[in-house]
Amino acid sequence: EVQLLESGGVLIQPRGSLRLSCAASGFTFSSYAMNWVRQAPGKGLEWVSAISGGSTASYYADSVKGRFTISRDNSKNTLYLQMNSLGAEDTAVYHCARGWIAAAGGGFFEHWGQGTLVTVSS
Amino acid sequence: IVMTQSPDTLSVSPGERATLSCRASQSISTNLAWYQQKPGQAPRLLIYGASTRATGFPARFSGSGSGTEFTLTISSLQSEDFAVYYCQQYNDWLYTFGQGTKLEIK
Repeated sequence: EVQLLESGGVLIQPRGSLRLSCAASGFTFSSYAMNWVRQAPGKGLEWVSAISGGSTASYYADSVKGRFTISRDNSKNTLYLQMNSLGAEDTAVYHCARGWIAAAGGGFFEHWGQGTLVTVSS
Repeated sequence: IVMTQSPDTLSVSPGERATLSCRASQSISTNLAWYQQKPGQAPRLLIYGASTRATGFPARFSGSGSGTEFTLTISSLQSEDFAVYYCQQYNDWLYTFGQGTKLEIK
């Protein structure tokens, strides 16, 4: 059974930094691209970032480019999102999601984690 | 690529048919997925490739379209189908979602 378990979400002050993690199990992690998708309270889904299975390519939404960095450790079956210069607009539940294939961002997302809540507030 | 869903909210009675629309700002071929999300839950993949139903969803769910216009049809609504539905394009490496359509009980 595929499982994705996010962690690292906290209440953090504006301009702070935070790293989210997503522990994966139940599949060959390196064979799939991985993504982060966020959802602000009461709002819709926003794709944030993607990384290919072998970490050769990564992609970012314009809203986070230059502030967030996606990475993965295939030996630990773990996906990361380093978030810097956080603002109130980054407040959201952050889901990790497995792509369909290894290349690029993997296309669509068959498996999702339940998410971790990041709240940016003073 | 901007994805626009319509309507924002759709009120339908159980047993009736629901038709949800999704429009892309440029052609995305059939690189479109639909997701269902219920309150407090993660989204679930419903349709991919514009028309292929994902595992676990019954045949009353169907997707169609190509290019810039797409439709999700639920032929006879059941109580468990009332949720928010999102479309997502993956034709471009920068993926984008529609704003969602809330399907509510009339």
